[in-house]
Amino acid sequence: NAGVMQNPRHLVRRRGQEARLRCSPMKGHSHVYWYRQLPEEGLKFMVYLQKENIIDESGMPKERFSAEFPKEGPSILRIQQVVRGDSAAYFCASSPPDGAEAFFGQGTRLTVV
Amino acid sequence: AQSVSQHNHHVILSEAASLELGCNYSYGGTVNLFWYVQYPGQHLQLLLKYFSGDPLVKGIKGFEAEFIKSKFSFNLRKPSVQWSDTAEYFCAVSPTDSWGKLQFGAGTQVVVTP
Repeated sequence: NAGVMQNPRHLVRRRGQEARLRCSPMKGHSHVYWYRQLPEEGLKFMVYLQKENIIDESGMPKERFSAEFPKEGPSILRIQQVVRGDSAAYFCASSPPDGAEAFFGQGTRLTVV
Repeated sequence: AQSVSQHNHHVILSEAASLELGCNYSYGGTVNLFWYVQYPGQHLQLLLKYFSGDPLVKGIKGFEAEFIKSKFSFNLRKPSVQWSDTAEYFCAVSPTDSWGKLQFGAGTQVVVTP
């Protein structure tokens, strides 16, 4: 059973470009969570999605950030017009509907130059 | 305001020493409590979790944690550490109805010297 798969592992973008981060949850998991870890800080919750629905986006910045979890395919975290402050590690986690544990991917490290 | 506070940012100790990492939280309502570990270059892994029942929880790799409700604490312990326990440790809480919406502490970097 493959774990939570995130790609790419490393992503470099110039200021103003778009970043697309992908997350494939574990098999049978229908809940996906995105977290951001800024340097020297703990992980911060961004958004919670179920298939085709955003359940809780209370941690998402109001502008430039969006997330989706389509019926088919991975969950996507999209950052438009990236700025240096977006440089961080972005982690995805998934859980089953009745599970009590979130499994994490290895993260995508975004560097904005 | 909701918060999770880990007492130490860095801990250095020798093999066979005992480890205790402090974690306090401030959260309205009933919570689930977790300790995660991140070994160098790897993803976060769950060490142990507390939902209800016995406040002393045993996890993997010889770790345990004790929930003290009156102190809003969930401290992690291991009686005798090994070099392979070198990692970053994160305390986290979540609402009971949203397992994956975790609020993390800032983490404690633990270095175990041979």
